[in-house]
Amino acid sequence: NAGVTQTPKFQVLKTGQSMTLQCAQDMNHEYMSWYRQDPGMGLRLIHYSVGAGITDQGEVPNGYNVSRSTTEDFPLRLLSAAPSQTSVYFCASSPTERPSPLHFGNGTRLTVT
Amino acid sequence: AQSVTQPDIHITVSEGASLELRCNYSYGATPYLFWYVQSPGQGLQLLLKYFSGDTLVQGIKGFEAEFKRSQSSFNLRKPSVHWSDAAEYFCAVGPPPAAGNKLTFGGGTRVLVKP
Repeated sequence: NAGVTQTPKFQVLKTGQSMTLQCAQDMNHEYMSWYRQDPGMGLRLIHYSVGAGITDQGEVPNGYNVSRSTTEDFPLRLLSAAPSQTSVYFCASSPTERPSPLHFGNGTRLTVT
Repeated sequence: AQSVTQPDIHITVSEGASLELRCNYSYGATPYLFWYVQSPGQGLQLLLKYFSGDTLVQGIKGFEAEFKRSQSSFNLRKPSVHWSDAAEYFCAVGPPPAAGNKLTFGGGTRVLVKP
């Protein structure tokens, strides 16, 4: 059972480039979310989804887009990368949107130069 | 808005000694509280959670945490640490049920274990 799978593990971008961070879960979870982790700041919520076709903004959504066309996949798009987006990105899921433990992927470390 | 404070950025402890990590939260209602652990290069793993009931919660790997409403705290403890407990620990608080599963995380405490 793979759980939450994130690809790639590492990525280096130049300022202005675009890319998509992939996230897939095989647990049939309705709720999925993206966090970014920065030193001393813990994890901050970027976007989340309570089901296929439904997404909403979290605490730090600027510069990121998401979509949820299937229950399994929740990609995060950076349209024009900026150095401030250098971070470690985590995808997480839970069975429903009701408060419950999140299941995390292993993260994507992104560097923007 | 909810917030979580972990006052200690780093803690160094000797193997076999006890460990206590502090967590204070700000929240207007009964919180849902979590502790997660992150080993280097890995995602976050749930150690334990508090939703209601007994305020002393047991988790995995020999950890426990105590919810103290009067102090707005949810401190994590382990009686005797092992070298494998070296990691970063995050406290998190969850929102009311109608607001989705949006957890707010503290800044983390990095634990170093001396032999």
